Amino acid sequence: KAGVTQTPRYLIKTRGQQVTLSCSPISGHRSVSWYQQTPGQGLQFLFEYFSETQRNKGNFPGRFSGRQFSNSRSEMNVSTLELGDSALYLCASSTQGAGANVLTFGAGSRLTVL
Amino acid sequence: GENVEQHPSTLSVQEGDSAVIKCTYSDSASNYFPWYKQELGKGPQLIIDIRSNVGEKKDQRIAVTLNKTAKHFSLHITETQPEDSAVYFCAARRGGDTNAGKSTFGDGTTLTVKP
Repeated sequence: KAGVTQTPRYLIKTRGQQVTLSCSPISGHRSVSWYQQTPGQGLQFLFEYFSETQRNKGNFPGRFSGRQFSNSRSEMNVSTLELGDSALYLCASSTQGAGANVLTFGAGSRLTVL
Repeated sequence: GENVEQHPSTLSVQEGDSAVIKCTYSDSASNYFPWYKQELGKGPQLIIDIRSNVGEKKDQRIAVTLNKTAKHFSLHITETQPEDSAVYFCAARRGGDTNAGKSTFGDGTTLTVKP
């Protein structure tokens, strides 16, 4: 069974640009969550999508957005990049229901903003 | 919102010794407590989890204990091996499908196991 796939794995952008990251969840998983990981702030929840709807949102500015497609694949977008957006962006998927809701993470997309 | 504190931030042990990492949480509504291991260049991987209706859970060399009253849970690794060297994260989350993706993580513990 394929795991969570994130693309691209590495990317470099400059301030002011925008970036789109992609996440393909495990087959059958309908929930996709995004997290930002930085040395200073640790792992912070960005948002979660379920059945193409944003179900939860963390405390990030509106520059951070996402969406989910009918096949459960998800994308997140960061506009007007700032130096502080440099981070590892992790996607996690999960199933639903009793005994489930266990997060499986991808390897992440490492974004460097210059 | 939920706040999770994790200690220590770094831990160095000799191969074969035990390692203990402790976390406290603030939200009394949290009822799911996973532990993740993150190796260099990889995403966090679930190693063990515990739900609030259980006080202890064990899986081979790894065990987790939960004290709901004190809002405290711990990871115990026995007979440590060099391949246990990694960053370990605790997390807490409320129950229910609508909270499935929203976990609050501790700051991580870098465990080094010396051969």
